[in-house]
Amino acid sequence: NAGVMQNPRHLVRRRGQEARLRCSPVKGHSHVYWYRQLPEEGLKFMVYLQKENIIDESGMPKERFSAEFPKEGPSILRIQQVVRGDSAAYFCASSPGGASVREQFFGPGTRLTVL
Amino acid sequence: SQQGEEDPQALSIQEGENATMNCSYKTSINNLQWYRQNSGRGLVHLILIRSNEREKHSGRLRVTLDTSKKSSSLLITASRAADTASYFCATDARGAQKLVFGQGTRLTINP
Repeated sequence: NAGVMQNPRHLVRRRGQEARLRCSPVKGHSHVYWYRQLPEEGLKFMVYLQKENIIDESGMPKERFSAEFPKEGPSILRIQQVVRGDSAAYFCASSPGGASVREQFFGPGTRLTVL
Repeated sequence: SQQGEEDPQALSIQEGENATMNCSYKTSINNLQWYRQNSGRGLVHLILIRSNEREKHSGRLRVTLDTSKKSSSLLITASRAADTASYFCATDARGAQKLVFGQGTRLTINP
């Protein structure tokens, strides 16, 4: 009964490179959320997706960041041309969805370091 | 200030004592949840309390919710060293699916 899987757990990129973060939700969950956590801070919502649809991307930076949750395969958070300020822990969560928000199950996170 | 603010920011107590953390929020909510995060790790869900509930228990955890004051408290009784972690409250506003997290309370249990 696997929980939310994220990979890689640690990712190092140089400025200007691309970062691709993957998230496999709990089996049967159709809702995926991405959050970013800066050191010593709480999590900040980035984007909420259902299969093949972006539902709420109000927390996504306008440029360089994109997310997808295809019909098959994991959800991907993509950061193009990374800058040092992108260094953070990125967490994915999933839920079964429904009329109201329920418990979200979090993955272990991907810690991105931009050199 | 942001939705879901915890206080205190840091709390250090002796093992065996009770720890109380508070959370305030601004908008109407459906649910309020508490999560624990060990240093450098992911979040572990502790408890969810719905807006029509006032108190909930789970093992050594007790959560209260006062919607008139827009506040919640998390009580950990008989603390243990393993309770050392950061604790976050998270709310979901009505009509929104996303969770809004506070800055967290860093709890240290001294043996």
